[in-house]
Amino acid sequence: DSGVTQTPKHLITATGQRVTLRCSPRSGDLSVYWYQQSLDQGLQFLIQYYNGEERAKGNILERFSAQQFPDLHSELNLSSLELGDSALYFCASSRGLAGDYTQYFGPGTRLTVL
Amino acid sequence: EDKVVQSPLSLVVHEGDTVTLNCSYEVTNFRSLLWYKQEKKAPTFLFMLTSSGIEKKSGRLSSILDKKELFSILNITATQTGDSAIYLCAVEVLDSNYQLIWGAGTKLIIKP
Repeated sequence: DSGVTQTPKHLITATGQRVTLRCSPRSGDLSVYWYQQSLDQGLQFLIQYYNGEERAKGNILERFSAQQFPDLHSELNLSSLELGDSALYFCASSRGLAGDYTQYFGPGTRLTVL
Repeated sequence: EDKVVQSPLSLVVHEGDTVTLNCSYEVTNFRSLLWYKQEKKAPTFLFMLTSSGIEKKSGRLSSILDKKELFSILNITATQTGDSAIYLCAVEVLDSNYQLIWGAGTKLIIKP
């Protein structure tokens, strides 16, 4: 158990819908990262937040957005869902302070778009 | 463009064999290289390497970094079926925004 929690575990929805994935980082971690992993593909970095502010952006679609709240939990919003958005979505956290960027992953949310 | 390449993509061996997984990188502003193991679910952290030539060891797993030739290897000795997983390599890059560049992973299958 990494200490990172994600909800829900599984999510099945229809095309065109909008969903919100939630992540609580490890206690004391300031950075949160979101990743997408499609079937048989590697991890695709989406976005990173540090202490409430966006820090880095990867291959995140315009239909996707994220935020990190004052209590440091983060939400990833996916809208106008398409079949190709079906994937495992991981959240990871790290201390985010100088010298300590090791990321610890949550269990993931499996999103299925029908 | 920063990139991390892992090889082989897939590897099948028998229990008890020793395997070597490779990770090469081309990045600017290298900070460290990390290895993760991903079984059915989330990746779990194995090692972080920052200095050349210093072996990190954990049980039957060990890893070393060569910053001159820009690669790292992950060795697993006396493999067991529980070692079957995808092994991911990632490189930390420091630029205006902190980034982690991920390799595509090596899928390791250990046959009994």
